[in-house]
Amino acid sequence: AQRVTQPEKLLSVFKGAPVELKCNYSYSGSPELFWYVQYSRQRLQLLLRHISRESIKGFTADLNKGETSFHLKKPFAQEEDSAMYYCALSGPSYGNKLVFGAGTILRVKS
Amino acid sequence: DAGVIQSPRHEVTEMGQEVTLRCKPISGHNSLFWYRQTMMRGLELLIYFNNNVPIDDSGMPEDRFSAKMPNASFSTLKIQPSEPRDSAVYFCASSPAGTGGTNEQFFGPGTRLTVL
Repeated sequence: AQRVTQPEKLLSVFKGAPVELKCNYSYSGSPELFWYVQYSRQRLQLLLRHISRESIKGFTADLNKGETSFHLKKPFAQEEDSAMYYCALSGPSYGNKLVFGAGTILRVKS
Repeated sequence: DAGVIQSPRHEVTEMGQEVTLRCKPISGHNSLFWYRQTMMRGLELLIYFNNNVPIDDSGMPEDRFSAKMPNASFSTLKIQPSEPRDSAVYFCASSPAGTGGTNEQFFGPGTRLTVL
């Protein structure tokens, strides 16, 4: 069973529009959730993690344990936000591993 | 710190040749991970090490793939013999998780492998 689900392979929005990248997970216990971003032909970089409860580049994500979701949101998309976004989960059951979702490509059109 | 270092950045080889990818993790990180990224399969974990010891190699696709970590500052991923379907970007990542720190992983720039 897939443990981290990103239902959209591609999300295309216009510049200035709100963005929501969906992530749902299945895990018994208290997971640690992350969002990683990969700009074109570059390395994956940590964007944010739920325990930090911070906003990075205008993005926020709230862990909703009831809905087992960790959606990534930004009120106004910018063209430089175009990238691949991965949701990832960590927890004691997985040792030191991160379990990644399939990723969502975000395209911000001008 | 220069971050995770991988070499080479690009490798083009012919089918049947041996390929060796190299990784230097961030100093002080005790966990090291090898991933493969393709359009079809996305990001796949191949193997990871804690304190230089392989912990989970269930993602290694075939016996043609092998990985070693002879010391805390160096790891290799070897493909012998290589095949065209091995063409992908291979990422190495390290994490301080093995020392009780966060499970956040720090990725290298990747090696883009093309097998002709």
